[in-house]
Amino acid sequence: QVQLQESGPGLVKPSETLSLTCTVSGGSITSSSYYWGWIRQPPGKGLEWIGSIYYSGSTYYNPSLKSRVTISVDTPKNQFSLKLSSVTAADTAVYYCGGGQLWLFYFDLWGRGTLVTVSS
Amino acid sequence: QSALTQPPSASGSPGQSVTVSCTGTSSDVGSYNYVSWYQQHPGKAPKLMIYEVSKRPSGVPDRFSGSKSGNTASLTVSGLQAEDEADYYCSSYAGINTLGVFGGGTKLTVL
Repeated sequence: QVQLQESGPGLVKPSETLSLTCTVSGGSITSSSYYWGWIRQPPGKGLEWIGSIYYSGSTYYNPSLKSRVTISVDTPKNQFSLKLSSVTAADTAVYYCGGGQLWLFYFDLWGRGTLVTVSS
Repeated sequence: QSALTQPPSASGSPGQSVTVSCTGTSSDVGSYNYVSWYQQHPGKAPKLMIYEVSKRPSGVPDRFSGSKSGNTASLTVSGLQAEDEADYYCSSYAGINTLGVFGGGTKLTVL
């Protein structure tokens, strides 16, 4: 059974870069069955897709965040990562990593999520 | 403001049926049969309940069903149970440039 776990700092200062890693266990990140992605949820609000990556390294980003987002994959470590630059308080959210079918736009694998607060 | 519009709340009594709507545009819901629904309990990660408008992943009760008409998709929960009380989010594929969008969520209360 494939499981995902987010890790990274829970507090980031304004204007700095948010960095998170998702570790995939119980299966290979090189599985052709999945695109891996990041979704966030501000406190008390809805879900927002940030971007996705295929194990080959092909990336796909939400146009509204594209200028600040970088997603990368580390196949030997079975991990993929998110970097979001120039953060503001509006980027405070629970960040989930997930796996699913990008071209059908659904995620059937989810991590537990990690709260990232942007504050000085 | 979310790209897909959902009512903020919905409710029903145990055993009843309730339907949650998800309204998009001809650029997303109306153009593709790629609407998904997620259930989220407080403090938990979302769980996929419906994909490709009406398909259920393994393990999801058949009390949950999905449909679509034009630019509006719907999730129906039949035979409401206490554990169905949760937030429900829809999402849709929106083409090669945008890729995908979510709704703002609906809080389902079992009375």
